[in-house]
Amino acid sequence: NAGVTQTPKFQVLKTGQSMTLQCAQDMNHNSMYWYRQDPGMGLRLIYYSASEGTTDKGEVPNGYNVSRLNKREFSLRLESAAPSQTSVYFCASSGDNSPLHFGNGTRLTVT
Amino acid sequence: DAKTTQPTSMDCAEGRAANLPCNHSTISGNEYVYWYRQIHSQGPQYIIHGLKNNETNEMASLIITEDRKSSTLILPHATLRDTAVYYCIVRVGNRDDKIIFGKGTRLHILP
Repeated sequence: NAGVTQTPKFQVLKTGQSMTLQCAQDMNHNSMYWYRQDPGMGLRLIYYSASEGTTDKGEVPNGYNVSRLNKREFSLRLESAAPSQTSVYFCASSGDNSPLHFGNGTRLTVT
Repeated sequence: DAKTTQPTSMDCAEGRAANLPCNHSTISGNEYVYWYRQIHSQGPQYIIHGLKNNETNEMASLIITEDRKSSTLILPHATLRDTAVYYCIVRVGNRDDKIIFGKGTRLHILP
């Protein structure tokens, strides 16, 4: 059982470049989440999706877009990367009334 | 904003019980208390959760006060591998939860 899979594991971008972070879960969970974690800090919610076709803003949505392509996949897109978006990005999923399951993260550096 | 407050850091001697407090004074009647931990920069890992009653599993015990305004996570015999950041969150458990994490408590286990 793979759980929550994130790709890529590492990425370096130049300012202004775009990229999409991929996340897939195989636990048939309804809800999926994107968090970012800056060095020495806690997790901050970027966007979440309660079900296929729905998305909602979290605490820090500016500069990001998301797509809930189907029940399994929830992608995060940076249209024009900025150095302030250098961070570790975690995807998570959850069933109803059940704990969050996290992926191993994508480490993004924007120069 | 996070609905919970936790001490920034704590120390515990190896082999002793580690007691991690969490305040959630504005918790609603239908909100659960969940605990997670994050070792190094890995994805957070679920530990335990509860609503009103005290809970125990193979990892830890959760003590929730009668008024539900605070809780304590107990690691009964702490080992060096328990060194991590511990997060306490509250959530309803519905699929449209906006799950917000605070900064957590950095627990140092001392040899």
